[in-house]
Amino acid sequence: AQKITQTQPGMFVQEKEAVTLDCTYDTSDQSYGLFWYKQPSSGEMIFLIYQGSYDEQNATEGRYSLNFQKARKSANLVISASQLGDSAMYFCAMREHEGAQKLVFGQGTRLTINP
Amino acid sequence: ETGVTQTPRHLVMGMTNKKSLKCEQHLGHNAMYWYKQSAKKPLELMFVYSLEERVENNSVPSRFSPECPNSSHLFLHLHTLQPEDSALYLCASSQGLALPYEQYFGPGTRLTVT
Repeated sequence: AQKITQTQPGMFVQEKEAVTLDCTYDTSDQSYGLFWYKQPSSGEMIFLIYQGSYDEQNATEGRYSLNFQKARKSANLVISASQLGDSAMYFCAMREHEGAQKLVFGQGTRLTINP
Repeated sequence: ETGVTQTPRHLVMGMTNKKSLKCEQHLGHNAMYWYKQSAKKPLELMFVYSLEERVENNSVPSRFSPECPNSSHLFLHLHTLQPEDSALYLCASSQGLALPYEQYFGPGTRLTVT
């Protein structure tokens, strides 16, 4: 069964610093996808970045990058030059290729950016 | 602007009421989803529709009844709910079911069952 673990319930970071949010996963499939979402206090989940299990390069989207270490089954999100608007809940999620309908989420990390 | 809208944004209902949540996507996607987000629990997938056909029912109690009349609209009909059903209900859509299509979420309906 697929499982996502986010071990940091909360993180506090100074504005303009880089921050790494941890995510480890467990799956027996060889083909899967990893996603990061941001959930501000307004409630909606905002898609940030995607990494496929066969992608050789780490995914990047603007200030977001994904540090994908397949052998360790980790997919950490790195936010460079953090901004006050980055304060939110961040969720790591995974979909397996087989039975690909199911997107399984971790517990989330609450990130607070201090001025 | 995500392209997925949900109404109402907030709903308070008694245990004997019947209400419906509505989701509409303006992205031309073929798949739609309902999720439940409870306090201190990860998001839980409830239902998946692809081309208006239900493809997943994730062991959801029958007091939740989904309906997908077309690829742009998804409803969640609620009846005889319990206080533990109070949660944020999120709708999402994606271009297709397979990877790498990401899901786009609406703002959610905050449901309180009294």
